[in-house]
Amino acid sequence: DAGITQSPRYKITETGRQVTLMCHQTWSHSYMFWYRQDLGHGLRLIYYSAAADITDKGEVPDGYVVSRSKTENFPLTLESATRSQTSVYFCASSEYHGSYEQYFGPGTRLTVT
Amino acid sequence: DAKTTQPNSMESNEEEPVHLPCNHSTISGTDYIHWYRQLPSQGPEYVIHGLTSNVNNRMASLAIAEDRKSSTLILHRATLRDAAVYYCILRTYGGSQGNLIFGKGTKLSVKP
Repeated sequence: DAGITQSPRYKITETGRQVTLMCHQTWSHSYMFWYRQDLGHGLRLIYYSAAADITDKGEVPDGYVVSRSKTENFPLTLESATRSQTSVYFCASSEYHGSYEQYFGPGTRLTVT
Repeated sequence: DAKTTQPNSMESNEEEPVHLPCNHSTISGTDYIHWYRQLPSQGPEYVIHGLTSNVNNRMASLAIAEDRKSSTLILHRATLRDAAVYYCILRTYGGSQGNLIFGKGTKLSVKP
């Protein structure tokens, strides 16, 4: 399917476990982004990537790791999940950093127990 | 980062126009005004953007005050599908400043 997809859509995990959220886009967009959305905070940027093998921190990067070995994929890993990382995670992509539009995925709802 | 102020919520009737205000008194000359919206249980989607002049597209219109300290997103005929949270975002291009910074937005309810 064309577009941007995220998997899994829902995930429940325990404190201390490693979790990887996947993001895949079919447009060959250069830029990809990870946001988290919590009640009362709106969306906050975790990490972004300008191209394969180029990543940079956003507003709330602590506790997260990203990689981008291929242009179309941008996985987000929680190396040791904590309850405070319970959130909805959105991946997005844009053709370049100055693009007017970022295209967002459907989100992954993560619960850490 | 330049900040925006939006009402927490607004109500509209179906098929009537909706004017969603945004104040951005500290806007700089290089800040673009972007609007995104987020439908329930979905990711945000781009609506419109502008710099100085009013803008129209198939989704909405953007009216920008002459001093650029405020703007208004106009939905010409609200439908039930327009019920969403609308975010007004200032964006300066270049480095990390090109990133979107979301506030809490305005939750629009549309009544049949």
